[in-house]
Amino acid sequence: DSGVTQTPKHLITATGQRVTLRCSPRSGDLSVYWYQQSLDQGLQFLIQYYNGEERAKGNILERFSAQQFPDLHSELNLSSLELGDSALYFCASSVGSGGYNEQFFGPGTRLTVL
Amino acid sequence: DAKTTQPPSMDCAEGRAANLPCNHSTISGNEYVYWYRQIHSQGPQYIIHGLKNNETNEMASLIITEDRKSSTLILPHATLRDTAVYYCTTISGAGSYQLTFGKGTKLSVIP
Repeated sequence: DSGVTQTPKHLITATGQRVTLRCSPRSGDLSVYWYQQSLDQGLQFLIQYYNGEERAKGNILERFSAQQFPDLHSELNLSSLELGDSALYFCASSVGSGGYNEQFFGPGTRLTVL
Repeated sequence: DAKTTQPPSMDCAEGRAANLPCNHSTISGNEYVYWYRQIHSQGPQYIIHGLKNNETNEMASLIITEDRKSSTLILPHATLRDTAVYYCTTISGAGSYQLTFGKGTKLSVIP
């Protein structure tokens, strides 16, 4: 158990819909990262927040957005869903914001778009 | 462009040492080598990291060549629970906070 929690575990929805994925980092960690993992593309970095502020952005679509709240939990919002958005979405947390901090991953949310 | 290259799969007998190689020939001076693994569809799990010296922790040992162009992750006594995909990556502390994984090595530990 990494100490990072993600809800829900599974999500099945239809194209065009909007969903929200939630992540609670490990106690004491200030950074939250979101990743997407699909079979054909491997692990893709989406976005990082550090202590409530956006710190780095990766291959995140405009239809996706995220935020980190004062209690440090984070939410990833996915809208106008397409079939290709079906994937595992992982949240990770780390103590600091720099690249030398190891990241602890949550169990993931499996999103299926029908 | 892939930053690292790893063999797609390896087998290891239970109880024996598993040696997983990784090439990172374009690594720069301030980049660390990190290893993670992913068991089935669980979240990736941090194993170990190093800059240029060999490192050891309770999970594994990391051997980095003197020119830093390759490394080997060693699981000293592999168990069935070590069956997973192992990812090697490099991370710079100077701004590349995100992890990027290639295809990794699928390690199968055989009874």
